[in-house]
Amino acid sequence: NAGVTQTPKFQVLKTGQSMTLQCAQDMNHEYMSWYRQDPGMGLRLIHYSVGAGITDQGEVPNGYNVSRSTTEDFPLRLLSAAPSQTSVYFCASHGVGEDPYEQYFGPGTRLTVT
Amino acid sequence: GEDVEQSLFLSVREGDSSVINCTYTDSSSTYLYWYKQEPGAGLQLLTYILSNMDMKQDQRLTVLLNKKDKHLSLRIADTQTGDSAIYFCAAPEVYGAGSYQLTFGKGTKLSVIP
Repeated sequence: NAGVTQTPKFQVLKTGQSMTLQCAQDMNHEYMSWYRQDPGMGLRLIHYSVGAGITDQGEVPNGYNVSRSTTEDFPLRLLSAAPSQTSVYFCASHGVGEDPYEQYFGPGTRLTVT
Repeated sequence: GEDVEQSLFLSVREGDSSVINCTYTDSSSTYLYWYKQEPGAGLQLLTYILSNMDMKQDQRLTVLLNKKDKHLSLRIADTQTGDSAIYFCAAPEVYGAGSYQLTFGKGTKLSVIP
């Protein structure tokens, strides 16, 4: 199993540009989530999905869109990048009914918006 | 919802013990977790404890749980430079039928001085 994969690893955008951060998992997990990590702020949940076709907002959803057309993929779209979106983005997945609960994380995408 | 608090920094000398502390608010959590994030990487599950346990030992790691005070700690014995990382405390918010979302603390950055 590759686990959770994310592309790209690094990205530099200019203010106003759009882009999509890709996330895929091969563990047949129902749940997938996007977090951003900023110094001193920990991990903040952006959006999450409980299955194909179902998404919901987390703590900091503004400026980001998601969709979940398949179980495996959960892309995160930045519609018009802003410097405040400079961060490290992590995708994570977990199954339902596992014991104990464990969330699996991708390696992250480091995004800089100038 | 769940709230998880932990201090942001800890510095120890190589060979000493490290103790990282965490408090949480939701006493119904079945498990409590410690995740480790090494530089430039995603989070990985380090260890966990069942909420009906007071202590769990796993090689150099000891997890202590005080349910009355809602306090969790992670002790690393004989701390090595390779233990330098950010450690996250996490508690699940359970929605029923095995579905959940983890709430993370802000992370404690452990620096090990050679």
